[in-house]
Amino acid sequence: SQTIHQWPATLVQPVGSPLSLECTVEGTSNPNLYWYRQAAGRGLQLLFYSVGIGQISSEVPQNLSASRPQDRQFILSSKKLLLSDSGFYLCAWSIGTGYMTYEQYFGPGTRLTVT
Amino acid sequence: AQSVAQPEDQVNVAEGNPLTVKCTYSVSGNPYLFWYVQYPNRGLQFLLKYITGDNLVKGSYGFEAEFNKSQTSFHLKKPSALVSDSALYFCAVDASSNTGKLIFGQGTTLQVKP
Repeated sequence: SQTIHQWPATLVQPVGSPLSLECTVEGTSNPNLYWYRQAAGRGLQLLFYSVGIGQISSEVPQNLSASRPQDRQFILSSKKLLLSDSGFYLCAWSIGTGYMTYEQYFGPGTRLTVT
Repeated sequence: AQSVAQPEDQVNVAEGNPLTVKCTYSVSGNPYLFWYVQYPNRGLQFLLKYITGDNLVKGSYGFEAEFNKSQTSFHLKKPSALVSDSALYFCAVDASSNTGKLIFGQGTTLQVKP
């Protein structure tokens, strides 16, 4: 069966510090991968998605970047955190056939607080 | 542009009563619709989806949703609510079938009281 991992679970970082959040998927190959941010426990904002290694699409201009160095690894980064980067970050994967719509499966999330 | 709306921030229902969480959508082609549930400080869990076929879709934990093309709605339902169903529910619509990108509604908090 497939599983998705995210770490760390919680993170408190000062303004201006760097960020690296990691997401890995097991039990599937060539998945589509997604990073979301959820603010104030409500709506989800899609930040990045990837349909393959090295292929990253950014949905909104912001202080963050994403990379996919391996098929099942997705990393969210920042060089200098802002207070507005605080939130609940969720990674998700879906079957990546490219021509069908499949449901997404979410990781447990990372709670980031920028102080 | 594709969009989805959940008109209720919160729905309150007594345990054992039927529940409905509303969702309406706007898409330019065939809609692909999803429901997810989120428990506090957890990731989202997939409940069910409508791609094509029967308008009544059955999903996990006894939930079902009815696709209504004329009303552009995809309401989530359950015949008998449980206290453990209390959570945040999200409706989503597919933005592009080539990438699996989803657009989520703002969420509806379901509160089931004993």
